[in-house]
Amino acid sequence: QVQLQESGPGLVKPSETLSLTCTVSGGSISSYYWSWIRQPAGKGLEWIGRIYNSGNTNYSPSLKSRVTMSFDTSKNQVSLKLKSVTAADTAVYFCARDPTMATPYAYWGQGTLVTVSS
Amino acid sequence: DIQLTQSPSFLSASVGDRVTITCRASQGINNYLVWYQQKPGKAPKLLIFAAYTLQSGVPSRFSGSGSGTEFTLTISSLQPEDFATYYCQQLNTYPLAFGGGTKVEIK
Repeated sequence: QVQLQESGPGLVKPSETLSLTCTVSGGSISSYYWSWIRQPAGKGLEWIGRIYNSGNTNYSPSLKSRVTMSFDTSKNQVSLKLKSVTAADTAVYFCARDPTMATPYAYWGQGTLVTVSS
Repeated sequence: DIQLTQSPSFLSASVGDRVTITCRASQGINNYLVWYQQKPGKAPKLLIFAAYTLQSGVPSRFSGSGSGTEFTLTISSLQPEDFATYYCQQLNTYPLAFGGGTKVEIK
């Protein structure tokens, strides 16, 4: 059973960099598509970006200048960095393995709340 | 960028009601649309893949339909555990986008 667990600081100061890790168990991160999604309190889901094929990435245009995603295959982890954060970046952050035609299943982590505040 | 417009954004319904939620894409997405259900404090759960493929373990009262730019999620007989927020997402073209969500509440 594939399981995802997000981890990282729950509090980040304005202008600093938010760093989160998604640790995957029960399966390899290789050959799959991994997305990061966020959800501000009481609001809808916002797609941040996707990483796949050992390092190809696509990011939301609204966040592209601040986002970096990466793989660590030795640790079976996917990482997210979001720089120059503001209060508007306060949200629950989810990592997810996207469904595809070949593997039409989705797996999500439980989400982690990141608050941007001084 | 492709925009997804969900309607309604909120609906109030009773147990046993038939419920229909629509997701309209601003351009064609090759039926590469999924539907998620989200309950408070939980991660979204995949219900429907590629417009109409029901996920294993999802009750058959859920169904997806549509093609081109208009898609529908139908709950044939609403159950108490179905009160939640539903989102569509297109997986065809970057940037991938979610609809704004439809909150289904008890009437």
